Amino acid sequence: KNEVEQSPQNLTAQEGEFITINCSYSVGISALHWLQQHPGGGIVSLFMLSSGKKKHGRLIATINIQEKHSSLHITASHPRDSAVYICASRPIIQGAQKLVFGQGTRLTINP
Amino acid sequence: DVKVTQSSRYLVKRTGEKVFLECVQDMDHENMFWYRQDPGLGLRLIYFSYDVKMKEKGDIPEGYSVSREKKERFSLILESASTSQTSMYLCASSFISGKWGQGARNEQFFGPGTRLTVL
Repeated sequence: KNEVEQSPQNLTAQEGEFITINCSYSVGISALHWLQQHPGGGIVSLFMLSSGKKKHGRLIATINIQEKHSSLHITASHPRDSAVYICASRPIIQGAQKLVFGQGTRLTINP
Repeated sequence: DVKVTQSSRYLVKRTGEKVFLECVQDMDHENMFWYRQDPGLGLRLIYFSYDVKMKEKGDIPEGYSVSREKKERFSLILESASTSQTSMYLCASSFISGKWGQGARNEQFFGPGTRLTVL
């Protein structure tokens, strides 16, 4: 059974700190997604990765296919980064259309 | 920009009522999804549709049905609402994976969510 595990489940940090959220998955994938959900519910896609590393502003996402592991990093964190971050895998064995989601990491950045 | 809209942000219904949740997307996406999100459980797939009139059960289809009569619209139906169906419901859409080739994002675009309370 494919599972996606995120850690930590909750993370509180001070403004300016470097943040790392980890994601592990158990089966081969065609892509790994990082999503952000702000209070109120709306979910936006941050990254889709199949290898290597991607950067967008202060956000960096990396993936190690051999180790089945991905990380999301936030540099110079800011209170507006406070949100739930969700990792989702697109498993090869289940077909390419569906995603399997982690439980999410609730990030709180204090000023 | 892709827009996925849901018919209500907040909904309160009584046990036994029939509930309709509507989702509309404006990007001509083939795939549409209905999820529910509960604390500690993350997003769970209820139903998925990859074409008009086509549907596939997700991980938790019991107590739900869906309808896709037009490509842009995907409806979730609770035939007889129960308190266990109190949750946040999220709709999403995407192109068929691989439609635009290896480099395509094929990401899912989400609606704002409907918070349903069943009393």
